[in-house]
Amino acid sequence: EAEVAQSPRYKITEKSQAVAFWCDPISGHATLYWYRQILGQGPELLVQFQDESVVDDSQLPKDRFSAERLKGVDSTLKIQPAELGDSAMYLCASSLEPGLAADSQTQYFGPGTRLLVL
Amino acid sequence: AQKVTQAQTEISVVEKEDVTLDCVYETRDTTYYLFWYKQPPSGELVFLIRRNSFDEQNEISGRYSWNFQKSTSSFNFTITASQVVDSAVYFCALSEFSKGAQKLVFGQGTRLTINP
Repeated sequence: EAEVAQSPRYKITEKSQAVAFWCDPISGHATLYWYRQILGQGPELLVQFQDESVVDDSQLPKDRFSAERLKGVDSTLKIQPAELGDSAMYLCASSLEPGLAADSQTQYFGPGTRLLVL
Repeated sequence: AQKVTQAQTEISVVEKEDVTLDCVYETRDTTYYLFWYKQPPSGELVFLIRRNSFDEQNEISGRYSWNFQKSTSSFNFTITASQVVDSAVYFCALSEFSKGAQKLVFGQGTRLTINP
């Protein structure tokens, strides 16, 4: 069964350091999402890609966060410099290109990267 | 703006009991989708069900059932004869369309503990 891959699964870093997370969506999924989930809360969208283009990054703290999906397949989310408040789970999801198909509305999630900033 | 409320923060029951997780949503869209996801301790969000706003038919899948009531803006999830493996955090989510893109708005989640 096709899955969304993410790495690393766990990351511990010190504040002011740079960190990067990688995501490989399900093959054929044109839309890719990065969410942040703070402990005890639901995930919140950071950025959404349609192929290689950003379609929504309104919630991405652009002073320290950046995201790219250069070839429209896998994606990298970077934080520089990391702050204590960035400690969270970072989840990647993918879906089919938006359209009439009902399943194009469903987002499939990867295992996430747990980030701890000390 | 869209909003999803899961009023039950934590639920604890004994195995084999039935349990219902509540979800209430707010939206001004006439077409929308509702979802339930399960998040076990490993952290991955597992898709359980999708329901569009025009389909109010209840759905049953094994021990799981979903009750969608548009009149009360609710999409509740019932587990019948609960098992220890059902222990997880469950999230209800609503699709929101903005700037030509679709994103999910999640509730706060309900932590379900099934005790043997």
